[in-house]
Amino acid sequence: DADVTQTPRNRITKTGKRIMLECSQTKGHDRMYWYRQDPGLGLRLIYYSFDVKDINKGEISDGYSVSRQAQAKFSLSLESAIPNQTALYFCATSGVREDEETQYFGPGTRLLVL
Amino acid sequence: QKEVEQDPGPLSVPEGAIVSLNCTYSNSAFQYFMWYRQYSRKGPELLMYTYSSGNKEDGRFTAQVDKSSKYISLFIRDSQPSDSATYLCAMRWGGAQKLVFGQGTRLTINP
Repeated sequence: DADVTQTPRNRITKTGKRIMLECSQTKGHDRMYWYRQDPGLGLRLIYYSFDVKDINKGEISDGYSVSRQAQAKFSLSLESAIPNQTALYFCATSGVREDEETQYFGPGTRLLVL
Repeated sequence: QKEVEQDPGPLSVPEGAIVSLNCTYSNSAFQYFMWYRQYSRKGPELLMYTYSSGNKEDGRFTAQVDKSSKYISLFIRDSQPSDSATYLCAMRWGGAQKLVFGQGTRLTINP
């Protein structure tokens, strides 16, 4: 089984709809992240959480919210989806040690907002 | 100006060629430098990691960091079709785990 899973893998929605993307991990990591990926822009950080009680905004948090339901679960919500939120969304996890450089990414959710 | 700049390509080379991928950055506080590889319809995976300046070699891959020039490189020797992917540079400063990514370079190795 994959260490970081994301659901759904693909989603089509309409402008104004609320949508939730879910992420689960079995790596036992405290730190979790949500990114979006757009052609030509690379990966940009939306929100990150260093533990269940710690939630922080990334560089592009407007229009998004998150919930850290448990150490293993981190959800991203679009309260009122708009077309420019069409993108590939990735969840990632990492450990807490200074030398734990690897962020482990999920397979991504492809979101289309019409 | 973006903190990390990476030529998005696409880059297409014949099998067996030496590939050079590069990123420049503006924040001199960056200390940790990474290269991620992303296959189509997959999440990125860590390929190489370097702390501060210097070189690191892993099989056919070599990562170089030149902090004086704010420039990092990834070299792929004897490139294979299986190396075809998007390569993203990423970096962070000490004490933080927020990564700043480059735009990614799409690489194709032609048999």
